[in-house]
Amino acid sequence: SAVISQKPSRDICQRGTSLTIQCQVDSQVTMMFWYRQQPGQSLTLIATANQGSEATYESGFVIDKFPISRPNLTFSTLTVSNMSPEDSSIYLCSVIEGLVTEAFFGQGTRLTVV
Amino acid sequence: TQLLEQSPQFLSIQEGENLTVYCNSSSVFSSLQWYRQEPGEGPVLLVTVVTGGEVKKLKRLTFQFGDARKDSSLHITAAQPGDTGLYLCAAGGKLIFGQGTELSVKP
Repeated sequence: SAVISQKPSRDICQRGTSLTIQCQVDSQVTMMFWYRQQPGQSLTLIATANQGSEATYESGFVIDKFPISRPNLTFSTLTVSNMSPEDSSIYLCSVIEGLVTEAFFGQGTRLTVV
Repeated sequence: TQLLEQSPQFLSIQEGENLTVYCNSSSVFSSLQWYRQEPGEGPVLLVTVVTGGEVKKLKRLTFQFGDARKDSSLHITAAQPGDTGLYLCAAGGKLIFGQGTELSVKP
């Protein structure tokens, strides 16, 4: 199974600023996703990170607020832009290897916006 | 939009008790996964079920996929405090997740 390193693991940020979260995988993977999770709650898919092209965003999420890059098959970044306290959440990177939809996750980034 | 309805959302039981968590949908899935998540960590895959009616066992955990591949259940026998965590079902090509079941097993 893929090993995923996500950083930072946590951060406290001022409102109006931006934070970039990095996701590094130890092998080439088919698909990479970014999720948001409120503590104790389920995961909401933000977008699919596409290698070499624009990410595919889910309803309620837009590129201006959550720009995503995926320059190669092992690395992706998610930026949370112009943050407000409502953006305080856990952000998770996830990958799927091959054709089977079994996901592996990073440990998450706990973001607090003050 | 494919939705996964998971129940119950919260479960607090004593060590040694049995429990069942349900995951239901109106959609048919080619496969369904169950994950367990502990605080400060990402979800970890427990099992994937693929065939309608399939039953898989993982020690004290029993997973079943409905005959019509629209629903699934997770049964834990003789729960232990180490089973405490958030249990999530997921399915679909982009892995949509159920609401989760927060399980607390008290010694």
